[in-house]
Amino acid sequence: KNEVEQSPQNLTAQEGEFITINCSYSVGISALHWLQQHPGGGIVSLFMLSSGKKKHGRLIATINIQEKHSSLHITASHPRDSAVYICAVHMNYGGSQGNLIFGKGTKLSVKP
Amino acid sequence: NAGVTQTPKFRVLKTGQSMTLLCAQDMNHEYMYWYRQDPGMGLRLIHYSVGEGTTAKGEVPDGYNVSRLKKQNFLLGLESAAPSQTSVYFCASSYIGRTEEMTNYGYTFGSGTRLTVV
Repeated sequence: KNEVEQSPQNLTAQEGEFITINCSYSVGISALHWLQQHPGGGIVSLFMLSSGKKKHGRLIATINIQEKHSSLHITASHPRDSAVYICAVHMNYGGSQGNLIFGKGTKLSVKP
Repeated sequence: NAGVTQTPKFRVLKTGQSMTLLCAQDMNHEYMYWYRQDPGMGLRLIHYSVGEGTTAKGEVPDGYNVSRLKKQNFLLGLESAAPSQTSVYFCASSYIGRTEEMTNYGYTFGSGTRLTVV
């Protein structure tokens, strides 16, 4: 079972393009994270969302709780944005606080 | 720099050998986690801790043990390594902050340990 689905799996874009990565989940959640992982590198938290929209620089993240869907947008993409973007959710259940369920990631490659 | 430090960064083990991965955080976070990352799969939780002296099993705990004797350290042990444990291991720590309106989760990840078992 895949509780967190990301699309697309792979994405190639030209520098300057507007990019959208999607995340859908199948259960109730209390929060959703977008994470970034550069090749061979560690994982960095970009956003935590429980409703609405957040913006940081050229990155915008939105979430629709009713539709169980979130999107990560990158405006004016640049080769340094090339990375794997991972969606992760906190589920609404009686399990331990703080545990995340991860999507498989979207590999983004931005060509100059 | 504040954050999560993992050691070692790389390791090659022979089947049956044992080793310990160390995770240290200096942010006074209560929660700590060990994940493994395998090709084509999302990160999977091995074990976690909700505070000093506590540990609990995650999704894939078999073949691993953990200890959290000090709040800032979370150790992951492999008693008898197997090729199936070849993976990249990530440690993370987090805080949970609650207000009347919402709950905030702040995660910090380590840079990973690439383990190969031959």
